[in-house]
Amino acid sequence: AQSVTQPDIHITVSEGASLELRCNYSYGATPYLFWYVQSPGQGLQLLLKYFSGDTLVQGIKGFEAEFKRSQSSFNLRKPSVHWSDAAEYFCAVGRRGNQFYFGTGTSLTVIP
Amino acid sequence: DGGITQSPKYLFRKEGQNVTLSCEQNLNHDAMYWYRQDPGQGLRLIYYSQIVNDFQKGDIAEGYSVSREKKESFPLTVTSAQKNPTAFYLCASSITGGDDYGYTFGSGTRLTVV
Repeated sequence: AQSVTQPDIHITVSEGASLELRCNYSYGATPYLFWYVQSPGQGLQLLLKYFSGDTLVQGIKGFEAEFKRSQSSFNLRKPSVHWSDAAEYFCAVGRRGNQFYFGTGTSLTVIP
Repeated sequence: DGGITQSPKYLFRKEGQNVTLSCEQNLNHDAMYWYRQDPGQGLRLIYYSQIVNDFQKGDIAEGYSVSREKKESFPLTVTSAQKNPTAFYLCASSITGGDDYGYTFGSGTRLTVV
C-alpha cells in the first residue's frame, strides 16, 4: 500500500540553525516526490519536486531535498532557518495519472 | 496571473443543510482534486477528476458529491449525509502530461457546522 510517513509532528529550531525534516514513503514503483509548505489558513505551496536524475534537488526559499532510494526517503533540508520559515510542511508522493499521497505534516516553530 | 480560486474562504452550515464549495482554475489544467484537511491527519482525498464529465471517488467520498461540467470548474457539495463536515477543504489542479507536473492548490475553504 502507498503511504507517506513524516515521523516528526512538531520541530522547534533556533533562527539561523540548520533544519532537516524527514519523509519516508512506501510505493510500488519509484514515485514522483514533492515537498509542500502551508502557512496557517492557506493552501499548499510547492517547495520542490523530484522526478528522476540527480537525487539532490533544489527548491525555492533555499530548501533542498535528497532522494535516497535504498532508504525510501526524501528528507528536506535548509542550512539556515529564517523566522519566516515557520509553517507546516508536507511530503507527498505520486505518479502521473495517479493520486498523490500526503504525509500528516511537520509543524515547524522558529525561535529567535 | 493563473491560479485556483476557492470561495468562500469561510462557510458556516447548519446541521442538515447541503453546502457547495466553489473551485475555479484558469491554468488550463486537466485534472482537479478535492482534499479535506483535519489537524494531525494531513490531506485526505475526497474526489478527483481527470477530464470533463468524469470523476472518481477518493478515500473519503461518503457524504460528498462533485460535478465537472467545465474544465475550469470542480464544485464540491457537502451533503447532510456527511456526519462530521467541519474541516478545511482544499482544491488542487494539475496537468496530466509534460514535465511541469505537480499540484497547484487553492487557498482553501474553512467549513464550520453550527
